[in-house]
This record gives sequence, structure tokens and C-alpha cells, in this order.
Amino acid sequence: AQSVTQLDSHVSVSEGTPVLLRCNYSSSYSPSLFWYVQHPNKGLQLLLKYTSAATLVKGINGFEAEFKKSETSFHLTKPSTHMSDAAEYFCVVSEWNNNDMRFGAGTRLTVKP
Amino acid sequence: EAGVTQFPSHSVIEKGQTVTLRCDPISGHDNLYWYRRVMGKEIKFLLHFVKESKQDESGMPNNRFLAERTGGTYSTLKVQPAELEDSGVYFCASSVLEAGGPSYEQYFGPGTRLTVT
Repeated sequence: AQSVTQLDSHVSVSEGTPVLLRCNYSSSYSPSLFWYVQHPNKGLQLLLKYTSAATLVKGINGFEAEFKKSETSFHLTKPSTHMSDAAEYFCVVSEWNNNDMRFGAGTRLTVKP
Repeated sequence: EAGVTQFPSHSVIEKGQTVTLRCDPISGHDNLYWYRRVMGKEIKFLLHFVKESKQDESGMPNNRFLAERTGGTYSTLKVQPAELEDSGVYFCASSVLEAGGPSYEQYFGPGTRLTVT
């Protein structure tokens, strides 16, 4: 069965600096990978997804992630963070043609002024 | 277009009582999912409906949990009787139904925070 490990439970950066949120996955089949974000009192919002097309995926709000099969990683990056990026981020994996998603434990991002 | 809605947003009940959570998916979405996040743990899959049928309920923790989706529209998740360990945030998600192909985006509701005292 597929699984995901988010390597950092909490990341803190200064506004305007880059951020890296790390994610490693395990999957027996061709995976689909997602990053979701949850702001306080809001539902989870899809940032971006990888579904076997281009390995570098661009999402909303300037985020992007690169699928690296050799490293089984799908790290999320943004070159310049904003205060509004403070939220909890979830890396999610599902196997091809399988709608059941497996979540990582989440990474809480704090952005300092 | 309205998103996935969940009701109530927060419920506080005593151990042994019954609670029913409701999810209204996006109109036209045949897939409906329930997930739960217990404090300090990751979000975990509970079950998956395709229209009114249970496609996969392997994540349901025990028989105190009953999910229904009569008519293939909204869904309810009933916990009876509730226990302390049932406390957490219950998320609902929906997606379009496509045969074959990669996983499609699931749209999540804001969740229902359940507190069992």
C-alpha cells in the first residue's frame, strides 16, 4: 500500500525567503502525488498535483514541486514566501486509478515578518 | 459553484451519546469520501462512496460508525455510541467519477470538529 512521510512537522521562515517542505513517498504502482494546504478554519485546498506528466509541477500561489522517482520524493518549494502562506501543508499519494489517498502527517509553516 | 459543505462545524457531545455528521458534495460529484484526523495524527481515510454504493469502507474504525449516502447526494456519518477516542476532525471530500486514468482532484470540505467528553 502507498504511504507518505513528511520529514518536517514544523518549518519557520522569514517573509520573502524561499521555503522547502519535504515529502517522501512509497508506492507499488505509478503514483499520483498531491500537495494540499489548509488555512485555519478552512477546508483543504489543492496546491498542485503530479499524475505522470511533467516531473516539475507548478501550482497556485507560486508553489512548485518536483517528482523524483529515483529519490521517491515530491518536495514542495516556493522562491519567496508571503505572510499569507502560513498554514499547514499535506503531501498526499494515491496509486494510479485508485482514488484512495494517503496523507502525510502535515507540515506547519510559520512565516515571520 | 458551491464547494463541499459540512455540518455542523463543531460538535461537543458526551461519551455514549450519538452524533450525526453531514456532508454535501459538489453537485455532480459521484465520488464521496470521509476522512478523519485525530489530534496529533495524520488524516486517515474512512470510506469511499460511488454514488450511493460503498466502494471501500476499509478505513472505518469499528461498527460504531455508520455512513450512508441515500440517493447518491449528501452523506451522513453517524457515531453511536461515541467514545473519547472518536474526538477529531472529520473531513468530507468529493470528486468526479471517471473510469480509468489517474486520480482526480478531491475537493474537501472545512471539516467537522468532534469533541467527545
